[in-house]
Amino acid sequence: DAKTTQPNSMESNEEEPVHLPCNHSTISGTDYIHWYRQLPSQGPEYVIHGLTSNVNNRMASLAIAEDRKSSTLILHRATLRDAAVYYCILPNTGNQFYFGTGTSLTVIP
Amino acid sequence: DVKVTQSSRYLVKRTGEKVFLECVQDMDHENMFWYRQDPGLGLRLIYFSYDVKMKEKGDIPEGYSVSREKKERFSLILESASTNQTSMYLCASSLWTPWGRGETQYFGPGTRLLVL
Repeated sequence: DAKTTQPNSMESNEEEPVHLPCNHSTISGTDYIHWYRQLPSQGPEYVIHGLTSNVNNRMASLAIAEDRKSSTLILHRATLRDAAVYYCILPNTGNQFYFGTGTSLTVIP
Repeated sequence: DVKVTQSSRYLVKRTGEKVFLECVQDMDHENMFWYRQDPGLGLRLIYFSYDVKMKEKGDIPEGYSVSREKKERFSLILESASTNQTSMYLCASSLWTPWGRGETQYFGPGTRLLVL
């Protein structure tokens, strides 16, 4: 099953863009890349997902490398409410999600 | 608005007690999941169900069982609670999806269980 690698933690200044990287070198051709985030004391929530093309929604953008071995979640203007743990996930056997420990994002005012 | 609810936010039980954690979703989703979350270990899948009365083991099923008698309800059972089962328990649901795609999972707020 494909797994992902993310930095343990990152910092960003408020109102600046944030680029959260994820490596998934063993990704298969049909695996979608999912991103979730978990705010303090809450369950994880969906952020974005994509297959090959870059994707945008109201929360974030997802940039996927041409070889699909890595991706980057982009928060265009970080706010204090974006401080959370961000998980990059590939569905494994049976469409289960392996969450790992994610990247803890600190936003500095 | 999609909703996954869990029966309790906080629960304190004694070692050896039988514990029931209930999860209800109102989205008519086929898939339901139980995870536990521990510091430094992230979320780990305990069990999931892709249909009524169907269940599959996740990564850490030992010490747990599940029940899904109705589509909207998925219960996690600790037959004999132990202190190492003190954790945050998270329930999620999703639509069925073709292999490899993975459908968006919607999470409940979590139940923080303390076993004394």
